[in-house]
Amino acid sequence: KQEVTQIPAALSVPEGENLVLNCSFTDSAIYNLQWFRQDPGKGLTSLLLIQSSQREQTSGRLNASLDKSSGRSTLYIAASQPGDSATYLCAVKWFEIIQGAQKLVFGQGTRLTINP
Amino acid sequence: DGGITQSPKYLFRKEGQNVTLSCEQNLNHDAMYWYRQDPGQGLRLIYYSQIVNDFQKGDIAEGYSVSREKKESFPLTVTSAQKNPTAFYLCASSPGLAGGLTAYEQYFGPGTRLTVT
Repeated sequence: KQEVTQIPAALSVPEGENLVLNCSFTDSAIYNLQWFRQDPGKGLTSLLLIQSSQREQTSGRLNASLDKSSGRSTLYIAASQPGDSATYLCAVKWFEIIQGAQKLVFGQGTRLTINP
Repeated sequence: DGGITQSPKYLFRKEGQNVTLSCEQNLNHDAMYWYRQDPGQGLRLIYYSQIVNDFQKGDIAEGYSVSREKKESFPLTVTSAQKNPTAFYLCASSPGLAGGLTAYEQYFGPGTRLTVT
């Protein structure tokens, strides 16, 4: 069974700091890993998608890395801003043998607060 | 604008009533999904459909039903058999196998918050 864990559950930092969010997964046989942002009461916005063959992806101030062998991914946010405050979720696309289907398995998220 | 729409944004129902949540996409995606999110938790898969007229149960399908009669629509019915239906429901879609490398990237709608009293 695939399990995804995100640490820490909540993080509060002053504006301008660089920060790292962590995601770990138990089964390394994944198709891809996706990072999402969720604002309160809203849907999910896809930030970055890393294919299983890739090591990292970058978009603006965001950089996500993937180490399949150790079952870890990190999301690096540079020069944080109050507008970055949200919950960040990671999810892995994984083949579940019992149901014979590809599934997206989510972590519980990290609630990030950037203080002005 | 291409995207996924869910309606309504907020829904209130009395216990014992069935309720249907709407999900429509104009992205021409083959696959569609329904998730449930409870406070402080990640998303859990209810049902998914990889193609029209076909759908499969996810991890928590009991008390829910779906249909996929059209490519762009995937409504979810929360039945009276669902013991704890109050939650935030999210619909998503992905291109499917025709999408190449992006086949499995999921795009989400804005969600429907269902409250049952």
